[in-house]
Amino acid sequence: DSGVTQTPKHLITATGQRVTLRCSPRSGDLSVYWYQQSLDQGLQFLIQYYNGEERAKGNILERFSAQQFPDLHSELNLSSLELGDSALYFCASSLSTGGERTGELFFGEGSRLTVL
Amino acid sequence: TQLLEQSPQFLSIQEGENLTVYCNSSSVFSSLQWYRQEPGEGPVLLVTVVTGGEVKKLKRLTFQFGDARKDSSLHITAAQPGDTGLYLCAGGFSGAGSYQLTFGKGTKLSVIP
Repeated sequence: DSGVTQTPKHLITATGQRVTLRCSPRSGDLSVYWYQQSLDQGLQFLIQYYNGEERAKGNILERFSAQQFPDLHSELNLSSLELGDSALYFCASSLSTGGERTGELFFGEGSRLTVL
Repeated sequence: TQLLEQSPQFLSIQEGENLTVYCNSSSVFSSLQWYRQEPGEGPVLLVTVVTGGEVKKLKRLTFQFGDARKDSSLHITAAQPGDTGLYLCAGGFSGAGSYQLTFGKGTKLSVIP
């Protein structure tokens, strides 16, 4: 158990819909990262938040957005869903800002999104 | 864009055999991490290497960071069924005001009893 909690574990929805994925980081961790994992692309970094503020952006589509709340939990919003958005979405947390070379990421179990 | 290529993509071996998986890039990384991911779970960190030429051992697993910090290898001695999983390497670099990790697509290892 990494201490990172993600909900829901599985989600099936239709194209054009909107979903929200939720992540609670490990107790004390200030950074939250969102990754998308698909068979052909592997683990792709989407976005990072540190203590409520956006810190870095990766390959995140404009249809996707995220935020980190004062209690440090984070939500990833996916809208106008397409078939190609079907993937595993992972949240990870770390104590640091990401400024340390040896920082470890602790991953949740992921949310599996299926778009039909 | 920092890209990491892992090889082989798939590996199926008998229990007790040795194996090596590779992680290569044309980019220089400040650090290199290896994670293992089991079905239905998130990746779990195995090791971090930061110095060119560095070798770290974790029981039957030996990790090496290339001298130029562009590549890495993971060697498993006497593989066990419990070693089965997806092995991911992740290169660390500074960018956009934060330290980032870019992941390879992984090597899926199956160890047959």
